[in-house]
Amino acid sequence: KNEVEQSPQNLTAQEGEFITINCSYSVGISALHWLQQHPGGGIVSLFMLSSGKKKHGRLIATINIQEKHSSLHITASHPRDSAVYICAVRTGETSGSRLTFGEGTQLTVNP
Amino acid sequence: DTEVTQTPKHLVMGMTNKKSLKCEQHMGHRAMYWYKQKAKKPPELMFVYSYEKLSINESVPSRFSPECPNSSLLNLHLHALQPEDSALYLCASSQVYFRAPLQGRLSGANVLTFGAGSRLTVL
Repeated sequence: KNEVEQSPQNLTAQEGEFITINCSYSVGISALHWLQQHPGGGIVSLFMLSSGKKKHGRLIATINIQEKHSSLHITASHPRDSAVYICAVRTGETSGSRLTFGEGTQLTVNP
Repeated sequence: DTEVTQTPKHLVMGMTNKKSLKCEQHMGHRAMYWYKQKAKKPPELMFVYSYEKLSINESVPSRFSPECPNSSLLNLHLHALQPEDSALYLCASSQVYFRAPLQGRLSGANVLTFGAGSRLTVL
């Protein structure tokens, strides 16, 4: 079992739909990242959070530390949101700190 | 400048070639990273440099040789690679390698900025 599990693996939506991507992890973490990777490779860091909720534009990220679960929501989705969304958790202390990545969720938003 | 720049974007090399991937950032970040990413898989950490010193080597084969000549530059020297080394190589940087959160507050110093990647094909 992976330490970081994302669901769904693939998601297809119509433009305008509300989208939720889930991330569950099984280890103690100091932070959780949501990343976006477009075709061609470049990765953009969307959020880093350790508690509560963060919002940036149409993106909302929440985390529940007790339940070891985070969600990424996209409101009013748009075709340009089509990308792979990756959840990554930071584990370990000081020199042993690591980012452990989920397998990613491929999102396709159709016009 | 808020970018991590990687060159080349694409590289094709034979198994006997010697080549290098380059990564540059001018954000004053003191931690730099190399990741390897195979198709439809998450990135895998290869190396971490902190203050120009190698902090983490994730048991990477010696045919990959990292170099950090100064705080803005990170190279990955490639020699005698195998076809299975074909992948997207991602460079990233952060203000520092790790700073533990204080009193429940996150340190933005750990946020990674990624480059666009160098796509390597080994023939």
